[in-house]
Amino acid sequence: DAGITQSPRHKVTETGTPVTLRCHQTENHRYMYWYRQDPGHGLRLIHYSYGVKDTDKGEVSDGYSVSRSKTEDFLLTLESATSSQTSVYFCAIWGEGGSSYEQYFGPGTRLTVT
Amino acid sequence: AQSVTQPDIHITVSEGASLELRCNYSYGATPYLFWYVQSPGQGLQLLLKYFSGDTLVQGIKGFEAEFKRSQSSFNLRKPSVHWSDAAEYFCAVGGPGDYKLSFGAGTTVTVRA
Repeated sequence: DAGITQSPRHKVTETGTPVTLRCHQTENHRYMYWYRQDPGHGLRLIHYSYGVKDTDKGEVSDGYSVSRSKTEDFLLTLESATSSQTSVYFCAIWGEGGSSYEQYFGPGTRLTVT
Repeated sequence: AQSVTQPDIHITVSEGASLELRCNYSYGATPYLFWYVQSPGQGLQLLLKYFSGDTLVQGIKGFEAEFKRSQSSFNLRKPSVHWSDAAEYFCAVGGPGDYKLSFGAGTTVTVRA
């Protein structure tokens, strides 16, 4: 358990509304990630962060923005939600130290855009 | 560009039978390779990883994987499957100092009694 929580865990929203998902970690990891998971596509990277206020785009970043004002929190915002953004969203951190060098994942947020 | 291909979308196996999941990767340098498992409604859990050294790596839950550089493969195996192994399995590739992973599309394993 890498101390990753995501909120909310489930959300239903309407097309065109803004949505913010929160990822919180308790272990001061530098790297944080947002993925979306869709059937047949596995996990696709949306955005990632390599430090406070340092972020970069992943392969499916259109329609999403992120912010990281504190080490422990990484926010994903859908500025104007669309039905194509219905998905399960996972936050992850990169764990280092000892024998650890891998990504740890949060429990996920299921987002439905109607 | 790095990528992962998991050729099998869905595999059905009988309880007690052996299981092999295929993974082929593309990576420009020495790859770091990972297998993750996702039980229904859960997040992803690391099964095992390969960085260097012995090409046969052991993981949790009785799984093992073999790295074959010549075939760009990292196949996952388990000698005897239990009903609790029913899940989705993801192969991923990254590299030293890369801090990003590319995931395959996943293989869903169904275990029949």
